[in-house]
Amino acid sequence: QKEVEQDPGPLSVPEGAIVSLNCTYSNSAFQYFMWYRQYSRKGPELLMYTYSSGNKEDGRFTAQVDKSSKYISLFIRDSQPSDSATYLCAIEGSNYKLTFGKGTLLTVNP
Amino acid sequence: EAGVAQSPRYKIIEKRQSVAFWCNPISGHATLYWYQQILGQGPKLLIQFQNNGVVDDSQLPKDRFSAERLKGVDSTLKIQPAKLEDSAVYLCASSLKWPQETQYFGPGTRLLVL
Repeated sequence: QKEVEQDPGPLSVPEGAIVSLNCTYSNSAFQYFMWYRQYSRKGPELLMYTYSSGNKEDGRFTAQVDKSSKYISLFIRDSQPSDSATYLCAIEGSNYKLTFGKGTLLTVNP
Repeated sequence: EAGVAQSPRYKIIEKRQSVAFWCNPISGHATLYWYQQILGQGPKLLIQFQNNGVVDDSQLPKDRFSAERLKGVDSTLKIQPAKLEDSAVYLCASSLKWPQETQYFGPGTRLLVL
């Protein structure tokens, strides 16, 4: 079982839709949970960061962590064409090393 | 604030050739990372420097990959000899310090080995 599992998609939605992106992880020692956004031919950029179970909101983005289920989610409300990108979950373990998921390719159609 | 700079942006080589990538981190960032991102995969850490010392190189294929960070600023990653499976995007990232600081990524160098 891989440490971090992420459905690679691709995911295609109409503009204005609510998008749900998910990852599962296997190591309960993981402490910090991040979502990165990667536009085509660019490096990843940090979108959201959280370390506790529950929800964290930033504008149209909500990160959700359920440590009991080892499940993390990113919700995007009122999705826009500019949200079209690959979304990578990343989890930091006790050794402070990031383990990335494969990424989910999202396309928001106008 | 300027971001992480990498060059070249693209490189095509024949297998068994050598190649080098260069990274200039954000000014003042003590920690520098090299990641390999194979198509359809997430980035995988190859090596991490703290100033000019190596913190973690456990996933660096040391028989063919080498990296250095002289004077604790710029860094180079070298592959010699290259294999077909080395085709990937090589990402450089930097953070102000380590641990638990945001990593800022450069645009990457896209390598194709034929």
